[in-house]
Amino acid sequence: NAGVMQNPRHLVRRRGQEARLRCSPMKGHSHVYWYRQLPEEGLKFMVYLQKENIIDESGMPKERFSAEFPKEGPSILRIQQVVRGDSAAYFCASSPSISPVGGLNTEAFFGQGTRLTVV
Amino acid sequence: QKEVEQDPGPLSVPEGAIVSLNCTYSNSAFQYFMWYRQYSRKGPELLMYTYSSGNKEDGRFTAQVDKSSKYISLFIRDSQPSDSATYLCAMSSQGAQKLVFGQGTRLTINP
Repeated sequence: NAGVMQNPRHLVRRRGQEARLRCSPMKGHSHVYWYRQLPEEGLKFMVYLQKENIIDESGMPKERFSAEFPKEGPSILRIQQVVRGDSAAYFCASSPSISPVGGLNTEAFFGQGTRLTVV
Repeated sequence: QKEVEQDPGPLSVPEGAIVSLNCTYSNSAFQYFMWYRQYSRKGPELLMYTYSSGNKEDGRFTAQVDKSSKYISLFIRDSQPSDSATYLCAMSSQGAQKLVFGQGTRLTINP
């Protein structure tokens, strides 16, 4: 059973280009979360998606960033017109379902991350 | 002020020592408290989680939550070189699915 798969592992983009980061959740998982980790900092929540729905995007920058989780295929985090400040590690996590009692789903597993460098 | 504060270290201790890692937080709505371990260039892996206050033990690891002081701790007994990693605390409120992370503490266990 493969874990959460993210690709590419490393991505270099020039300023102004687009970056597309992919996340394939674990088999049977229908919930995906994206986090960003700047150098020497903890992870910052960006967006939470279920299949074909964005549930919480409160951590997403208002411009240039978008995310989707289509019915078929991986979740995509898209960054348009990248700037140097977008350089970071982007982690995806997936979980099977929401806890039936409405609590936090503690069965979320993280991928290895995509390290984006903007030059 | 950050919602979650964690001393970034680095922290270096000899093998076999007891390690204490700590976080403080400001949001009294937090109910779930987690500790993650992250090796260099890898994704975080969940070590332990605690709901509300109290202690939880798992092998050499003990997690403590003091909600009255808004303070959580992770203790590692009989530390091993393989425990060398960055340790991240994370928290969430009831019903929320997003985690708020601390900055992470870089720990090195010296043989």
